[in-house]
Amino acid sequence: GQSLEQPSEVTAVEGAIVQINCTYQTSGFYGLSWYQQHDGGAPTFLSYNALDGLEETGRFSSFLSRSDSYGYLLLQELQMKDSASYFCAVRDIRSGDSNYQLIWGAGTKLIIKP
Amino acid sequence: ETGVTQTPRHLVMGMTNKKSLKCEQHLGHNAMYWYKQSAKKPLELMFVYSLEERVENNSVPSRFSPECPNSSHLFLHLHTLQPEDSALYLCASSLVLEGAKNIQYFGAGTRLSVL
Repeated sequence: GQSLEQPSEVTAVEGAIVQINCTYQTSGFYGLSWYQQHDGGAPTFLSYNALDGLEETGRFSSFLSRSDSYGYLLLQELQMKDSASYFCAVRDIRSGDSNYQLIWGAGTKLIIKP
Repeated sequence: ETGVTQTPRHLVMGMTNKKSLKCEQHLGHNAMYWYKQSAKKPLELMFVYSLEERVENNSVPSRFSPECPNSSHLFLHLHTLQPEDSALYLCASSLVLEGAKNIQYFGAGTRLSVL
């Protein structure tokens, strides 16, 4: 079956660095995305990796290794507002060349302590 | 503000009721989605519409009936639901192009409770 695995919960201290891992097993692969969701809010797009390597966007970076079917989201200089759930999602290539399917992880709840 | 608006934000209904969820996007996107989100589980894709045509239906029970009258509006009609259908229902939209990222923009969701 197709699945994405990520830790259910991670705890870190304000000002620190935290890494959220995601491993995937899918029949095809187009790219790995990360989304952030605050309690009661909408998931919002953070980053996308289609090629191996590190993508940096301000305090957030995302890494991909396609050979290892693995990626991570790195959050630096953690702030209390970063407390949220983080989801990885794989854009799959399905039969019929569907462009629509994203396969989602169950999400990682990031708890930040002062 | 994500550009995707869902109403109502909260809904409580009995198993014999009929209700509808509404979603509207102001982003000029060509695809819209309904997802079900339950605690500690991956987002479950229910339906996808592209250019107002349904292209995905992931084995969703017939008590859920989608409608897409135009590229900006999406509805989810509910009838004779079960308590296990209680969840957060999310609408999303995206601009789907060949080789593109398919970044999805979500509404804040409708929290549904079935009694």
